Amino acid sequence: EAGVAQSPRYKIIEKRQSVAFWCNPISGHATLYWYQQILGQGPKLLIQFQNNGVVDDSQLPKDRFSAERLKGVDSTLKIQPAKLEDSAVYLCASSLRTTSGGAYNEQFFGPGTRLTVL
Amino acid sequence: GDSVTQMEGPVTLSEEAFLTINCTYTATGYPSLFWYVQYPGEGLQLLLKATKADDKGSNKGFEATYRKETTSFHLEKGSVQVSDSAVYFCALSVGRDDKIIFGKGTRLHILP
Repeated sequence: EAGVAQSPRYKIIEKRQSVAFWCNPISGHATLYWYQQILGQGPKLLIQFQNNGVVDDSQLPKDRFSAERLKGVDSTLKIQPAKLEDSAVYLCASSLRTTSGGAYNEQFFGPGTRLTVL
Repeated sequence: GDSVTQMEGPVTLSEEAFLTINCTYTATGYPSLFWYVQYPGEGLQLLLKATKADDKGSNKGFEATYRKETTSFHLEKGSVQVSDSAVYFCALSVGRDDKIIFGKGTRLHILP
């Protein structure tokens, strides 16, 4: 079974530029997550989708970050304009969960995109 | 709010040594607890989990017991190998939508 795919793996941009990351979750997984992992810290949830709807985007800096999952499968995360403090690894994860509640559904993580903002 | 605190690294051990990585948590509800591992160049992987008090999660020789009375979930392994070198994250999930809160991670180096 293919895992969560992310691209690009690495990206270097200058501050104030724009950047986009792509994620393809495991086939059949209804829920998709984007995390930001700053060096030396644990991953922090930015946004959670269930199918093509947003479940939680309370930690997403909406003035510069946006994310979409138009057909309930692939997702893109965009930063515009980027700041130095956005340098981090951006992780995408997916899980089977189709409805709220019930037993925990394991999240499967992609390899991440390492962003460096100069 | 809900949070996870784990021991800071890096932790450096010799092969076959005993490993303990401490983890404590704060949660308003009844969390599920996890250890994730991140090997060099790879994505996060679930190592083990426990969903209620006194449960013991185990995998690949690693163990952790959910201790409600001490709000702890310490990771242990009796004899580490060089291949165990990685970053280990303690985490919890509370609520209906599988949201995970991670600790800062502990980098483990195993010397041959």
